[in-house]
Amino acid sequence: SQQGEEDPQALSIQEGENATMNCSYKTSINNLQWYRQNSGRGLVHLILIRSNERETHSGRLRVTLDTSKKSSSLLITASRAADTASYFCATDADGNEKLTFGTGTRLTIIP
Amino acid sequence: SQTIHQWPATLVQPVGSPLSLECTVEGTSNPNLYWYRQAAGRGLQLLFYSVGIGQISSEVPQNLSASRPQDRQFILSSKKLLLSDSGFYLCAWSVRVGTTTDTQYFGPGTRLTVL
Repeated sequence: SQQGEEDPQALSIQEGENATMNCSYKTSINNLQWYRQNSGRGLVHLILIRSNERETHSGRLRVTLDTSKKSSSLLITASRAADTASYFCATDADGNEKLTFGTGTRLTIIP
Repeated sequence: SQTIHQWPATLVQPVGSPLSLECTVEGTSNPNLYWYRQAAGRGLQLLFYSVGIGQISSEVPQNLSASRPQDRQFILSSKKLLLSDSGFYLCAWSVRVGTTTDTQYFGPGTRLTVL
């Protein structure tokens, strides 16, 4: 079963607007990661947040983590057409060496 | 720098035929290795992972098997393919950090169609 569930499943916004995607998970985690996948390609790691952090950012990406609610959000600011892709959250449950991926959010940026 | 290779990029196979997908990693030693399958428009399903040569953990009982004959080589196999084996197969590696996993680095994937 999927540990992470992203919402929305699909999101379309105008170029220049901000995009927010959410992820919920079920068990305790060591870290939570966000990945991007362009159509027909492999996944690319974007950003990682550890369980003792509440917020981290990298460039136009901002990630928050609320371990009490078992949820995370990914904010992409000033979106660009090139941001069109699917975005997945992945969690590293305590004590194992694997990630569990969510179902993904398909983001479309309209030029 | 580290790189990960997968081949073939695309594959069309008849039902009942065997399968062998290969993944190799360069520029790192003793990585964790992973095989995932992704159905069209869906998330990733972890199939197998390996923390060392000859050590394979299976996540989902199915028609597939995995082997790790060398430190940086991971092979996904099947003796007889089913229609339901169609999908996008992704290999990934990560640095071993004890009992957790950090960033995973993905290969370009293999698109398998079983007819």
